[in-house]
Amino acid sequence: NAGVTQTPKFQVLKTGQSMTLQCAQDMNHEYMSWYRQDPGMGLRLIHYSVGAGITDQGEVPNGYNVSRSTTEDFPLRLLSAAPSQTSVYFCASSSGTSGSRADTQYFGPGTRLTVL
Amino acid sequence: AQSVTQLGSHVSVSEGALVLLRCNYSSSVPPYLFWYVQYPNQGLQLLLKYTTGATLVKGINGFEAEFKKSETSFHLTKPSAHMSDAAEYFCAVSVSNNDMRFGAGTRLTVKP
Repeated sequence: NAGVTQTPKFQVLKTGQSMTLQCAQDMNHEYMSWYRQDPGMGLRLIHYSVGAGITDQGEVPNGYNVSRSTTEDFPLRLLSAAPSQTSVYFCASSSGTSGSRADTQYFGPGTRLTVL
Repeated sequence: AQSVTQLGSHVSVSEGALVLLRCNYSSSVPPYLFWYVQYPNQGLQLLLKYTTGATLVKGINGFEAEFKKSETSFHLTKPSAHMSDAAEYFCAVSVSNNDMRFGAGTRLTVKP
């Protein structure tokens, strides 16, 4: 199993550009999520999905869109990049069907995004 | 709302010394508590978690943590540090589904 994979590893954007961060998992997990990691702030939840066709907002959703057409994939879209979105982005998945608070999350290696 | 405070953004210990990473939480309901570790250029991986039952939880790589409700703490310990333990450690609390809050992280350095 590859686990949770993310592409690209690094990306530099100009303000106003759009892009999609890719996330895939091969563990047949229903629950997937996106976090951003900023220095001194830990990880903050952007969006999550409890299954194909179902998504919801987390703590910091503004400026980001998600969709979940398959169990395996959960892309994160930046509609119009801003310097405040410079961060490291992590995708995670867990085996629980409802994002149960007891579930262990499995994280991808991250995408380091810089917005100029 | 729940929150997590990790005391000390950087901790440095000598190889073979005790590792103690502090975590305090606030929660109005019984919390589920987690410690994750992040090695350089990698994603987070679970070290251990407390949900219910025994308050002393053992994890991977010789780490353990004790849930102390009276102190609202979940400190992470390891009796003897190894060079390979150098990483960033995150404490997290979850009080409801789809809502996990992470601390700011503690970077552990192990000196030879």
